[in-house]
Amino acid sequence: GQSLEQPSEVTAVEGAIVQINCTYQTSGFYGLSWYQQHDGGAPTFLSYNALDGLEETGRFSSFLSRSDSYGYLLLQELQMKDSASYFCAVRASYNTDKLIFGTGTRLQVFP
Amino acid sequence: DAGVIQSPRHEVTEMGQEVTLRCKPISGHNSLFWYRQTMMRGLELLIYFNNNVPIDDSGMPEDRFSAKMPNASFSTLKIQPSEPRDSAVYFCASSLEVAGGHEQFFGPGTRLTVL
Repeated sequence: GQSLEQPSEVTAVEGAIVQINCTYQTSGFYGLSWYQQHDGGAPTFLSYNALDGLEETGRFSSFLSRSDSYGYLLLQELQMKDSASYFCAVRASYNTDKLIFGTGTRLQVFP
Repeated sequence: DAGVIQSPRHEVTEMGQEVTLRCKPISGHNSLFWYRQTMMRGLELLIYFNNNVPIDDSGMPEDRFSAKMPNASFSTLKIQPSEPRDSAVYFCASSLEVAGGHEQFFGPGTRLTVL
């Protein structure tokens, strides 16, 4: 089967740094994406890693280790507006954009 | 760009009724996805179209569900007959599937309640 595992919930305070981990077991692997979803909203794209290493986009960074089937999303200088659910997603096939989504991590940021 | 458009935004219906959800993808995108999201099952891919052709419908739960994409700018997801367990948020997403392309753009979703 195909599975992506994430912690169900993470809490942190404003200004802190938080890391959300994702481990995957899929039939193929062609990239790891991260999406953010606020309550009542739609998922929105944050980042994509096809190769090992760290990708930085402002306060958010994403890391991938293909040998460990593992990635993480790093959120720095947390703000209240970062309270949301975060999903990792694997592109399991080269010639399609089909994604397999993880279970999601609910991040709560406290003042 | 208006983004992905879905209608209706909310639908309340009674068990046994037919439900039709509609989606207009972003102009120029060639892939379209229908997802269902519930607390219990998370975000599930139901069906995926590329260039208006269904590529993968392995996530469609049963014969009560059907999806069509008659042209590049419109898709429907139909449930007939609907059941209370179909209550969920249904998202449509589109993407431009080219080498290196990877971002899916989600619509606002349709919140379906089947009584």
